[in-house]
Amino acid sequence: DIVMTQSPLSLPVTLGQPASISCRSSQSLVKSDGNTFLMWFHQRPGQSPRRLIFNLSKREPGVPDRFSGSGTGTDFTLKISRVEAEDIGIYYCMQNCLWPHTFGGGTKVEIK
Amino acid sequence: EVQLVESGGGLVQPGGSLRLSCAGSGFTFPSCWMSWVRQAPGKGLEWVAHINPDGGEIYYVDSVKGRFTISRDNAKYSLYLQMNSLRDEATAIYFCVAWDDSRNSNYWGQGTLVTVSS
Repeated sequence: DIVMTQSPLSLPVTLGQPASISCRSSQSLVKSDGNTFLMWFHQRPGQSPRRLIFNLSKREPGVPDRFSGSGTGTDFTLKISRVEAEDIGIYYCMQNCLWPHTFGGGTKVEIK
Repeated sequence: EVQLVESGGGLVQPGGSLRLSCAGSGFTFPSCWMSWVRQAPGKGLEWVAHINPDGGEIYYVDSVKGRFTISRDNAKYSLYLQMNSLRDEATAIYFCVAWDDSRNSNYWGQGTLVTVSS
């Protein structure tokens, strides 16, 4: 199975400041069509997860443009350009390149 | 408005069975891949099972193979998960998830709690 490793485990952030979460996969998530099968999800306390990013860098409809995804075949980054209070919660990366699809362990974002 | 509503969770003894259901509305259910994803209390997310639009392509995580069965009824806009021979480690919130490629969107239900305990 592809192992997804996220860092940091916990990320204290300041409102209005940028934030960045890293994710690494144990093998490349690039398929022959050139797409990178990496997604990012956000889960607020007590809520269901919500997808933010798919195919490495494409935003889900309705997701604010302060969220962006980037990376190579095995190293990925989710960036928040200016953190807002509603951004707290846990962020997960997930690969949908090979079955079983696997999630990273999560990064908890909290306000300093 | 898109909705996914799960039901069927509850308390079951080890070795017992449960059948989860998920009713979809507000999107074209028959065109979507559907999944069950679970989250143990205080833990991260784990993909459980995945089914293509016509039900002909199915995947399971190794830990549930042979014991869980995912199925769907497109006419009823419904997804199911039959869970047999349940073990303690199956205790989790089970989320129904839709993958709507026509809208580049992804939808999650509110989840249903399954507790396996004697």
